[in-house]
Amino acid sequence: TQLLEQSPQFLSIQEGENLTVYCNSSSVFSSLQWYRQEPGEGPVLLVTVVTGGEVKKLKRLTFQFGDARKDSSLHITAAQPGDTGLYLCAGIPDQKLTFGTGTRLTIIP
Amino acid sequence: GAVVSQHPSRVICKSGTSVKIECRSLDFQATTMFWYRQFPKQSLMLMATSNEGSKATYEQGVEKDKFLINHASLTLSTLTVTSAHPEDSSFYICSAFVFLDYGYTFGSGTRLTVV
Repeated sequence: TQLLEQSPQFLSIQEGENLTVYCNSSSVFSSLQWYRQEPGEGPVLLVTVVTGGEVKKLKRLTFQFGDARKDSSLHITAAQPGDTGLYLCAGIPDQKLTFGTGTRLTIIP
Repeated sequence: GAVVSQHPSRVICKSGTSVKIECRSLDFQATTMFWYRQFPKQSLMLMATSNEGSKATYEQGVEKDKFLINHASLTLSTLTVTSAHPEDSSFYICSAFVFLDYGYTFGSGTRLTVV
């Protein structure tokens, strides 16, 4: 059983559309991170959210940490082909970075 | 910034042979490194935690005799896949925790193909 479940697992949308990816858990986390991974490369950190209810923005990406610190969401506005990739949320239970199930996003030009 | 160098990036080996993957921290010391495995279209699964100067800690279901981890210095951890089988074919990625940045930095991964 995965500690962090992401939905959707796959998402393919047209350029310019908006989308939201969800990361859910039954456990409470002191913080959650979001990564993006390109094929054949290691994941790259996008953001760390620490406070329940926190909202962070990174250009067209908006990250939110749930009030109960059990879930998080990533919203992308006006998606572009360069946003294509595998998006991973991650938490740190027992001091070990553990990844969610992943969302593979494809933006169609 | 903190960089982790992983080699080789790709390797093809025959069934039954062993393959060693290296992970080096280039500009910082890493007392702890992590090894992940990623199958196609899936997320990263933690295999083991590598601790400098002590035995690695393996996740449930990971065979410690098959995936040998050595962390002999503060800048180098190695993963050796012993008696490789085709089902060991995967993308292996190492990671190190960079305390000051409060984050984890990742190697570029190793694509292992066992034929």
